[in-house]
Amino acid sequence: QKEVEQDPGPLSVPEGAIVSLNCTYSNSAFQYFMWYRQYSRKGPELLMYTYSSGNKEDGRFTAQVDKSSKYISLFIRDSQPSDSATYLCAMESGGSYIPTFGRGTSLIVHP
Amino acid sequence: NAGVTQTPKFQVLKTGQSMTLQCAQDMNHNSMYWYRQDPGMGLRLIYYSASEGTTDKGEVPNGYNVSRLNKREFSLRLESAAPSQTSVYFCASRGRSPQETQYFGPGTRLLVL
Repeated sequence: QKEVEQDPGPLSVPEGAIVSLNCTYSNSAFQYFMWYRQYSRKGPELLMYTYSSGNKEDGRFTAQVDKSSKYISLFIRDSQPSDSATYLCAMESGGSYIPTFGRGTSLIVHP
Repeated sequence: NAGVTQTPKFQVLKTGQSMTLQCAQDMNHNSMYWYRQDPGMGLRLIYYSASEGTTDKGEVPNGYNVSRLNKREFSLRLESAAPSQTSVYFCASRGRSPQETQYFGPGTRLLVL
């Protein structure tokens, strides 16, 4: 079992839908949780960053961390075709500076 | 600021040839990383450098060597390329505090025939 599990998809939704992307993990030492967005043939770019448990909102994006369940989520409201990309979750224990990545979920938002 | 730059963007090699992938960052970051990304495998860490003068192996170091030339530059060398090294290679850098996350370069696509 990998330390971080992420469904590769693809996940196909209509424009305007609410999207839920998820990762589970097994290492209880993880404290820092990230979501990266990667467009085709580009490098990953940081989308959301959360420390410990709780929610964080940024525009149409909300990141949730539930450390008791070892489960993190990224919600996208009012999804747009420009949100079509691969979304990678990543997490890290304090002081390691080496994140563990999920395999990424491919999202397709069709008009 | 250019951020993280990588050269070349694309390369075709024959089995047994060698090459060096170059990476540079202009953000004064201490840590630098090399990853490979294969379909269905996500990002796998090859080598990293926590600071100038230090390098450490990651998850998949076999067949690769690295050099942290200075604080800005971190190169990845394939001494004898194999078809299994066909992949997309990403370089990343980050600052000193845990709140500073990684910045990635645009990637190098490598095809080994």
